[in-house]
Amino acid sequence: AQSVAQPEDQVNVAEGNPLTVKCTYSVSGNPYLFWYVQYPNRGLQFLLKYITGDNLVKGSYGFEAEFNKSQTSFHLKKPSALVSDSALYFCAVWSNYQLIWGAGTKLIIKP
Amino acid sequence: NAGVTQTPKFQVLKTGQSMTLQCAQDMNHNSMYWYRQDPGMGLRLIYYSASEGTTDKGEVPNGYNVSRLNKREFSLRLESAAPSQTSVYFCAGGEDSLVNEQFFGPGTRLTVL
Repeated sequence: AQSVAQPEDQVNVAEGNPLTVKCTYSVSGNPYLFWYVQYPNRGLQFLLKYITGDNLVKGSYGFEAEFNKSQTSFHLKKPSALVSDSALYFCAVWSNYQLIWGAGTKLIIKP
Repeated sequence: NAGVTQTPKFQVLKTGQSMTLQCAQDMNHNSMYWYRQDPGMGLRLIYYSASEGTTDKGEVPNGYNVSRLNKREFSLRLESAAPSQTSVYFCAGGEDSLVNEQFFGPGTRLTVL
């Protein structure tokens, strides 16, 4: 069965430090992978996606994600965290005309 | 452009009551989706519509019905609300491609007592 795992419920990072939010997936065939962000009391916003090509994908707000086929991972990264990055982050994989979502990781950036 | 809009923003129902959640998009997307979001569970797809006039069940369709009124509008109906349907509901629209980004509305927070 297709699935997405986000192993950390919460990630705490000091402002200015690099951040990583982890995602692993299980899907048959080529994976099409997404990251979305949800700010409090808002809908989800698209950050970036991997379809094919370069394993390092750049997205909105300075975020990037690294696709690793051997580890079936698609971790979200940012070199220098901002307090305004604090939000809920969702990883998703496209399967059978639908997005399969992870449970989400709450990112807290402390000043 | 408003993007994807949803009404109402908040709703409280009693068990057994019915209601319709409205969604409209002005982005000319062919595909539209209804999700529910529950703590610790991410988003779960209730129903989706790949094009005007078609609807398909998602992961958790029981207790819900949908109607794709036209290209812009996709409504979700709860015929007899249950406490298990307390959730935040999101509507989304997608670009007309096989692997698309989805654009989300602001959500409806529904409580069933």
